[in-house]
Amino acid sequence: AQTIHQWPVAEIKAVGSPLSLGCTIKGKSSPNLYWYWQATGGTLQQLFYSITVGQVESVVQLNLSASRPKDDQFILSTEKLLLSHSGFYLCAWSHGLGGATGQLYFGEGSKLTVL
Amino acid sequence: GDQVEQSPSALSLHEGTGSALRCNFTTTMRAVQWFQQNSRGSLINLFYLASGTKENGRLKSTFNSKESYSTLHIRDAQLEDSGTYFCAAGSNTGYQNFYFGKGTSLTVIP
Repeated sequence: AQTIHQWPVAEIKAVGSPLSLGCTIKGKSSPNLYWYWQATGGTLQQLFYSITVGQVESVVQLNLSASRPKDDQFILSTEKLLLSHSGFYLCAWSHGLGGATGQLYFGEGSKLTVL
Repeated sequence: GDQVEQSPSALSLHEGTGSALRCNFTTTMRAVQWFQQNSRGSLINLFYLASGTKENGRLKSTFNSKESYSTLHIRDAQLEDSGTYFCAAGSNTGYQNFYFGKGTSLTVIP
């Protein structure tokens, strides 16, 4: 069975400090990977997606970047946090091109508070 | 504009009663997912539909791509059903760009 793990569970960071959030998928090779962001009380917005190692596409510009250093790992980062980065970050995966379905499977999320 | 319009934004149900949530789509969608977001923030998969109707216990969902809508019916509501429900619809296969609705906050009252 596939599992998806996000870290850290929660972070409190200062404005201007760096950030790195991670996501690991086990039990699934070559998944499509996604980062979503949710403001408190808001809906989910897709930030990035990746269909293969080393390749990441940006969907929404929020002064964040993403990388996929390994097939099973997706990293979200920034060198300088803004207050507007606060929220809940969710990593998700789906079967890759040619897969059975496009269903999204989400991790448990990382709560970020920027002060 | 929003590609997924979800209604109602909030809903209160007494235990044992039921209701329906709806999502309308402004473009042709190929698949829809329904999620329940719990108090921790985790998204629980409820349904994934490319067409037709699926049922799971007290929940039933329908997706009509031609008429551009999907519904989630809850019957015999229980306290643990409280939470925020999101629909998400995708217009492509393979790489999925799912557009999320704004959510329905459901409160089940004893």
